[in-house]
Amino acid sequence: EDKVVQSPLSLVVHEGDTVTLNCSYEVTNFRSLLWYKQEKKAPTFLFMLTSSGIEKKSGRLSSILDKKELFSILNITATQTGDSAVYLCALTGNQFYFGTGTSLTVIP
Amino acid sequence: KAGVTQTPRYLIKTRGQQVTLSCSPISGHRSVSWYQQTPGQGLQFLFEYFSETQRNKGNFPGRFSGRQFSNSRSEMNVSTLELGDSALYLCASSLGVEGYEQYFGPGTRLTVT
Repeated sequence: EDKVVQSPLSLVVHEGDTVTLNCSYEVTNFRSLLWYKQEKKAPTFLFMLTSSGIEKKSGRLSSILDKKELFSILNITATQTGDSAVYLCALTGNQFYFGTGTSLTVIP
Repeated sequence: KAGVTQTPRYLIKTRGQQVTLSCSPISGHRSVSWYQQTPGQGLQFLFEYFSETQRNKGNFPGRFSGRQFSNSRSEMNVSTLELGDSALYLCASSLGVEGYEQYFGPGTRLTVT
C-alpha cells in the first residue's frame, strides 16, 4: 500500500534552533517528492526532489532525497517565528500522496 | 504571472444538494489536481486532469467528479452532499510534465449542514 509518513508530528523549538523534518515513503512508480509549507492558507511550494543525493537549498532551508532508503529530510537552520507552519511532504507516483505533516512552532 | 484562482471561496450547502467548484490554473499549466483537506484526514487526492482528460484518480466515491475545459480551467462537482464532505477543497496546477511541481490555489471552504 502506498503511503507517506512524516515525523515528528509536531515540534516546538526556540528561535535560532536547527530542525530536521523527516518524510519516509512507499510509493509505486515514484516520480518526485515535494515539500510544502502550509500556514493558515493553501500550501506553498518549497522544493521538488527527483534524484538521490542532490541537495536542494533555498536560504535557511535545504532538503535531500534518498531513493534507496526511501526517505527525505527537510532542514531549517536558524529558525525564526515566521517558520512556524505545517510542513507537508508529497509524493507523486500513480497518484498524489500527502503526508499528514509536521507542525513546527518556533518560540521567540 | 497570476496564481491559481478558485471560486467560490466559501460555500454553505445542505445535505443532499450538489455543488460545483471552479479552478483556473496558472497560465500555461495544463494539469489541474483537486484535493480535499480535513483536520482528521489531511490532504487527500481526488483526481487530476491533463489536457481535458482525467489522468489520475484517488479513492473517492463516484459522487465526486470533475472535468477540464480546453482552456485548462477545471470544475469539480459533488452530488448528494453529506455532512462529511465539509472540507477545504484545494486545486493545484502544474505544467503536467514529469516532476509535478504543483502550485495551490487558496481553496474553497465547503460547509454542509
